[in-house]
Amino acid sequence: EVQLVESGGGLVQPGGSLKLSCVGAGFGFSGSNMHWVRQAPGKGLEWVGRIRSIANNYATSYAASMKGRFTISRDDSKNTAYLQMDSLKIDDTAVYYCTRYSTSWYAFDIWGQGTLVTVSS
Amino acid sequence: QSVLTQPPSVSGAPGQRVTISCTGTSSNIGAGYDVHWYQQIPGTAPKLLIYGNTNRPSGVPDRFSGSKSGTSASLAITGLQAEDEADYYCQSYDSGLRVFGGGTRLTVL
Repeated sequence: EVQLVESGGGLVQPGGSLKLSCVGAGFGFSGSNMHWVRQAPGKGLEWVGRIRSIANNYATSYAASMKGRFTISRDDSKNTAYLQMDSLKIDDTAVYYCTRYSTSWYAFDIWGQGTLVTVSS
Repeated sequence: QSVLTQPPSVSGAPGQRVTISCTGTSSNIGAGYDVHWYQQIPGTAPKLLIYGNTNRPSGVPDRFSGSKSGTSASLAITGLQAEDEADYYCQSYDSGLRVFGGGTRLTVL
């Protein structure tokens, strides 16, 4: 079965850190470009960033508001992508989704169920 | 404020046709980048509905169709059904980044 499963969400204080994981199955994870998208409560989708495959040297890119605070990495031996979040702010409270970017369709074709991150004191 | 502009809400009766617009600029849709559409039923993850402006993934009913012209794109839903009640998002590319519309809530009356 094709799937992505996120984990690692939870409650964290402002200024704290959290690392999310995203495990892929049922598709060629190592050859896929993986992205993170978040959704604040009651709000729309917001692109966080992406990591390309080894064919593109694991290049990363981030949205402006997350650059310098968030780091995306991957371990293809574990079919896992990560989102390291540092210096967290209350506004970072959201459901975080990982998603596979299809290089055939140039769109996000596989989505995880999401993991909730709550930043609060 | 989203880079792509969508109406906050649309509604229609069962069997009717509705359209959802997605307005961009010369740096995204107008630059020739593709528009994709996602459906999100509240409490669930988004699902790819339309890719490459007009194409439907396998399993998406042909009641859903997409179009693009100039700096805008549209999603049309014909033969509206109760199960279509959801949030719809357009997505494109701008200055090296992926961008989403603010989302449109479709209510089936």
